[in-house]
Amino acid sequence: QKEVEQDPGPLSVPEGAIVSLNCTYSNSAFQYFMWYRQYSRKGPELLMYTYSSGNKEDGRFTAQVDKSSKYISLFIRDSQPSDSATYLCAMLENSGGSNYKLTFGKGTLLTVNP
Amino acid sequence: SAVISQKPSRDICQRGTSLTIQCQVDSQVTMMFWYRQQPGQSLTLIATANQGSEATYESGFVIDKFPISRPNLTFSTLTVSNMSPEDSSIYLCSVDGFTDTQYFGPGTRLTVL
Repeated sequence: QKEVEQDPGPLSVPEGAIVSLNCTYSNSAFQYFMWYRQYSRKGPELLMYTYSSGNKEDGRFTAQVDKSSKYISLFIRDSQPSDSATYLCAMLENSGGSNYKLTFGKGTLLTVNP
Repeated sequence: SAVISQKPSRDICQRGTSLTIQCQVDSQVTMMFWYRQQPGQSLTLIATANQGSEATYESGFVIDKFPISRPNLTFSTLTVSNMSPEDSSIYLCSVDGFTDTQYFGPGTRLTVL
């Protein structure tokens, strides 16, 4: 079993839909959880960051973490064509000091149709 | 967040040759990272580069194949040596950000024939 599992999609939704993107993980030591957005032919862009169970909201985006179930989600409300991108979940096991390693999911390709 | 640039943005290389990828940051950073992104695969960390010390390589990656330099706090290079078609990938550098996050450059798209 891979440390981080993410459904690669592709996921296609109409404009205005609510999108749910999900990742599961097996490593209980993961403490920090991130979502990155990657447009075609671009580098990943940090979208959301959280370190506790519960919800964190930023505009149309909500990140949800359930550490007991080892499950994280990203919700996009009122989705727009500009949200079309690959969404990567990433997790961090804080090993302390100055060394740390992000573990990524494979990414979910999202298309929002006008 | 830091502004990161990479050169070249893309390249097509012949088997057996080497390519050096540059990563430049607009501010001083402690840690720089090099990743590989292959189609259908997760972003995979190649190595961590701290200024003034040898790079730390992840399992499956060796210095002879991927030598890294980190001469100062704003710059790093990754060389892909003795390339084969299996090295065709996107190579990304990243830097440490606030509270354990990382910021990524635009990537270098490498094709090996």
